[in-house]
Amino acid sequence: SQQGEEDPQALSIQEGENATMNCSYKTSINNLQWYRQNSGRGLVHLILIRSNEREKHSGRLRVTLDTSKKSSSLLITASRAADTASYFCATVRMDSSYKLIFGSGTRLLVRP
Amino acid sequence: EAQVTQNPRYLITVTGKKLTVTCSQNMNHEYMSWYRQDPGLGLRQIYYSMNVEVTDKGDVPEGYKVSRKEKRNFPLILESPSPNQTSLYFCASRAGLAGLYEQYFGPGTRLTVT
Repeated sequence: SQQGEEDPQALSIQEGENATMNCSYKTSINNLQWYRQNSGRGLVHLILIRSNEREKHSGRLRVTLDTSKKSSSLLITASRAADTASYFCATVRMDSSYKLIFGSGTRLLVRP
Repeated sequence: EAQVTQNPRYLITVTGKKLTVTCSQNMNHEYMSWYRQDPGLGLRQIYYSMNVEVTDKGDVPEGYKVSRKEKRNFPLILESPSPNQTSLYFCASRAGLAGLYEQYFGPGTRLTVT
């Protein structure tokens, strides 16, 4: 089944720097969502971007979507140690509006 | 507070001993699902339910059962657990279509089968 693939698998940055994570997928999508997971905890929804949108903002988060390249990016600006977590993209295929398919995630470490 | 709860949070059991992980949501959501999370494999869907008495297989349903007798509850049943079912399990719910609604996750159940 289609799966979003995040890149990089792991990212280590200094507090205050920006963090960029990328997600690529294989087939046409209805929307793409980003989730955050603190170690061993449940996932928390961050942002949803629809296939007809190109960019979306939420606080320090900026998400872009390029459907021609089948890719999305999540930018966290002015990172904080508390942003340390794993970040997952999840896609909803055009032909399956009930199913979310998750990628394998990017582990972000923000060093104080 | 809107939430998805799971119990137990941690469970160590032996091969073949039937167990049930409960899941409950207080948001009147129609859609509920179960995932397992394994290192390097991400989240994989086990079963999902679009409403009461409506359930269907996800990507990795073998060895699991579910039921949806009430809207708020969606238990996961392992009739005869095996060591390859050792994993971190998450229950999730949302109001409806994945294209329109965010998904809420429970805190997870860490299961070890020896």
